[in-house]
Amino acid sequence: EAGVAQSPRYKIIEKRQSVAFWCNPISGHATLYWYQQILGQGPKLLIQFQNNGVVDDSQLPKDRFSAERLKGVDSTLKIQPAKLEDSAVYLCASSWAGGGTGDEQYFGPGTRLTVT
Amino acid sequence: GESVGLHLPTLSVQEGDNSIINCAYSNSASDYFIWYKQESGKGPQFIIDIRSNMDKRQGQRVTVLLNKTVKHLSLQIAATQPGDSAVYFCAENTSGGTSYGKLTFGQGTILTVHP
Repeated sequence: EAGVAQSPRYKIIEKRQSVAFWCNPISGHATLYWYQQILGQGPKLLIQFQNNGVVDDSQLPKDRFSAERLKGVDSTLKIQPAKLEDSAVYLCASSWAGGGTGDEQYFGPGTRLTVT
Repeated sequence: GESVGLHLPTLSVQEGDNSIINCAYSNSASDYFIWYKQESGKGPQFIIDIRSNMDKRQGQRVTVLLNKTVKHLSLQIAATQPGDSAVYFCAENTSGGTSYGKLTFGQGTILTVHP
């Protein structure tokens, strides 16, 4: 079974520029998650999709971050404009159901973003 | 807000020793707990989980203990191997009775295993 795919793996941009990340979840998984992992910290949930609907985006900085999952499969996360504090690894994960008890989340390798 | 935390940020052991990684959580509503292993350049990898109605669960070389009285979680790794070297995160899942879960991760513990 193929895992969660993410691209690009690395990205370096200047502050105020825009950047987009792509995620392809495990086939058949209904729920997709985007996490931000700052160096030395645990991942923090940014947004959770169930199929193509948003379940939770309470920690997404909506003034600069946006995400979509139009057809309920692939997803993109965009930052516009980027700030220095956005430097982090952006992880995508997916799970079969809604992420409740016993529903394992599978993580991709992440995209390491550096904002200079 | 409520969060999950760890007592020790680093743990160094000899190959063959047993390792114990601890975690304190504060959200009494959390009903599901997971331990993840993260190697450099990779995403977190599921190790073992435990539901709030249990106090112990065993896997292959790993055991998770849950003490709800003091809101404490631990991961025990038996016969630790160099390949176990990684950052270990505990995470709590709060579903609030719904089918949706929300994971909150702790800070992480760096485990280093010396040959």
